[in-house]
Amino acid sequence: GQNIDQPTEMTATEGAIVQINCTYQTSGFNGLFWYQQHAGEAPTFLSYNVLDGLEEKGRFSSFLSRSKGYSYLLLKELQMKDSASYLCAVMDSNYQLIWGAGTKLIIKP
Amino acid sequence: GAGVSQSPSNKVTEKGKDVELRCDPISGHTALYWYRQSLGQGLEFLIYFQGNSAPDKSGLPSDRFSAERTGGSVSTLTIQRTQQEDSAVYLCASSLESGTGYEKLFFGSGTQLSVL
Repeated sequence: GQNIDQPTEMTATEGAIVQINCTYQTSGFNGLFWYQQHAGEAPTFLSYNVLDGLEEKGRFSSFLSRSKGYSYLLLKELQMKDSASYLCAVMDSNYQLIWGAGTKLIIKP
Repeated sequence: GAGVSQSPSNKVTEKGKDVELRCDPISGHTALYWYRQSLGQGLEFLIYFQGNSAPDKSGLPSDRFSAERTGGSVSTLTIQRTQQEDSAVYLCASSLESGTGYEKLFFGSGTQLSVL
């Protein structure tokens, strides 16, 4: 079967750095997405990786290793507004998105 | 429109009643998705449309669930004879097209369905 694994919850301190990991086992691979979802709101797109390596976008970076079935989302200079759930999703060979359950990130002052 | 619009934002219904949820995607987006999200859970895929056709209905939980899309735009998700386990947030998303790999989804704010 197809599976996306990410930690259920993480806690970090304002101003620090946090890395949220995602491992996947899917039927084929056509890209990996990270979305941010604040409580009670809709998910919003953060990043897309299809080739190995690091994609940097401001305070957020996303890394992919296709051979390891692994990605991480790196958040730097954490702010209180970064408290949210972070969803990892992989597009399989049929171009269907397979979603992880999300990682709830709690930022403490 | 400017974004994906869903209505109603909240729906409270009695067990056994039928409900209709509406999604108005971003103009020009050919792909439309319905997801369900229970409290603290990930996204559960229900169905997706490419234009007016639904190539993948595999996520619909039972035959009480159906969806249609007309004119390549608005979609309705209908749940017949609602059950308490249907209570969840129903999210709609659209993207410019499907089957290309890089498909950035734009989500609506969802409909919170509560079945009493």
